[in-house]
Amino acid sequence: DSGVTQTPKHLITATGQRVTLRCSPRSGDLSVYWYQQSLDQGLQFLIHYYNGEERAKGNILERFSAQQFPDLHSELNLSSLELGDSALYFCASSATDRAFNYGYTFGSGTRLTVV
Amino acid sequence: DQQVKQNSPSLSVQEGRISILNCDYTNSMFDYFLWYKKYPAEGPTFLISISSIKDKNEDGRFTVFLNKSAKHLSLHIVPSQPGDSAVYFCAASANYGGSQGNLIFGKGTKLSVKP
Repeated sequence: DSGVTQTPKHLITATGQRVTLRCSPRSGDLSVYWYQQSLDQGLQFLIHYYNGEERAKGNILERFSAQQFPDLHSELNLSSLELGDSALYFCASSATDRAFNYGYTFGSGTRLTVV
Repeated sequence: DQQVKQNSPSLSVQEGRISILNCDYTNSMFDYFLWYKKYPAEGPTFLISISSIKDKNEDGRFTVFLNKSAKHLSLHIVPSQPGDSAVYFCAASANYGGSQGNLIFGKGTKLSVKP
């Protein structure tokens, strides 16, 4: 157990629907990062929150949004889902707002299947 | 445009031999390089890292070499064990500007260690 909790583990939904993925960071960590891993793709950075504030955006679609709450858990909202959104979505956390030599701690991911 | 590239999707080695995983990058501003290991149905786990001011870092059976002039790094595993069979991701961080704190990942190399 890495200490980063992601729910749900699996999600199957229809095109056009909206889903919410949840992440609880490791105790004491203030940063939450979201990554998407599609088939044959590496981990694509989506968005980074630090202590409730958005710090950086990567290749995140306008249909996707995220937030980090005062208790530091984060939610990734995916709307108007398309077949191509099917992927593994990983959340990671770290103590600071910078990726130093110790990197992040990842959760086990949410597998989203859009049918 | 991929800033971190792992050109070998897969690698197969015999137990006890050396495994060498390679990674190339394009951004000279990267200041840390990290390797993550990922087993199926789990999130990536941090393995080893190296600062851009060093050319080698060793941790047990794992050694990472950095050649800044060639913008190339490699992970050596000696001796390889069947339990090392996993997907290995190379990642880089650039702690400046809008990229502050984010890790950029390659697509991964699947290592298979045969008994």
